[in-house]
Amino acid sequence: DAGITQSPRHKVTETGTPVTLRCHQTENHRYMYWYRQDPGHGLRLIHYSYGVKDTDKGEVSDGYSVSRSKTEDFLLTLESATSSQTSVYFCAISPRDEQYFGPGTRLTVT
Amino acid sequence: AQSVTQLGSHVSVSEGALVLLRCNYSSSVPPYLFWYVQYPNQGLQLLLKYTSAATLVKGINGFEAEFKKSETSFHLTKPSAHMSDAAEYFCAVSEAGTSYDKVIFGPGTSLSVIP
Repeated sequence: DAGITQSPRHKVTETGTPVTLRCHQTENHRYMYWYRQDPGHGLRLIHYSYGVKDTDKGEVSDGYSVSRSKTEDFLLTLESATSSQTSVYFCAISPRDEQYFGPGTRLTVT
Repeated sequence: AQSVTQLGSHVSVSEGALVLLRCNYSSSVPPYLFWYVQYPNQGLQLLLKYTSAATLVKGINGFEAEFKKSETSFHLTKPSAHMSDAAEYFCAVSEAGTSYDKVIFGPGTSLSVIP
């Protein structure tokens, strides 16, 4: 295992509330990513980080923000959750050419 | 722009039969190519990768894939399916040497294995 944990693993929240998902790695890798997985779309990149305080947008970044104040933690925030953000969220790290994924967070916005 | 196509969102094979999952890509630069497997309620796990070395790549669990530049394909095969192979499979492409922001995943193929 690549030493990636995500919390919470499951969350139900109401439309309009803020939500923060946490990704924690024990591998000290520079690159970290947040993806969302939806049926028929595979994985789509939301945001990624290439170091502490260094982040950039991915393919589907609208409605999401991220922060990385420590190498080991990468936070994904939904400022005001919407039903379209109901999804499974995966964090990943990239030690070499490939990526290693966390177990995922299933988020439901009602 | 890079893209990945996986032909067939669902594939069913009999136990012991050949598994063939198709992946075609487009890339304007030499690609890195990957196959990932996802078991229910789990994250993605790397099966194998092509990074410009041998065109026939062997991975875990008896899977292999062949990079064919002329066909822009990277199909995944396994000679004999096992019940434990039932999962979702994702093909992915990235630009060679830049893994951080250019990994594009296909939509996935769900593999069912019939006893």
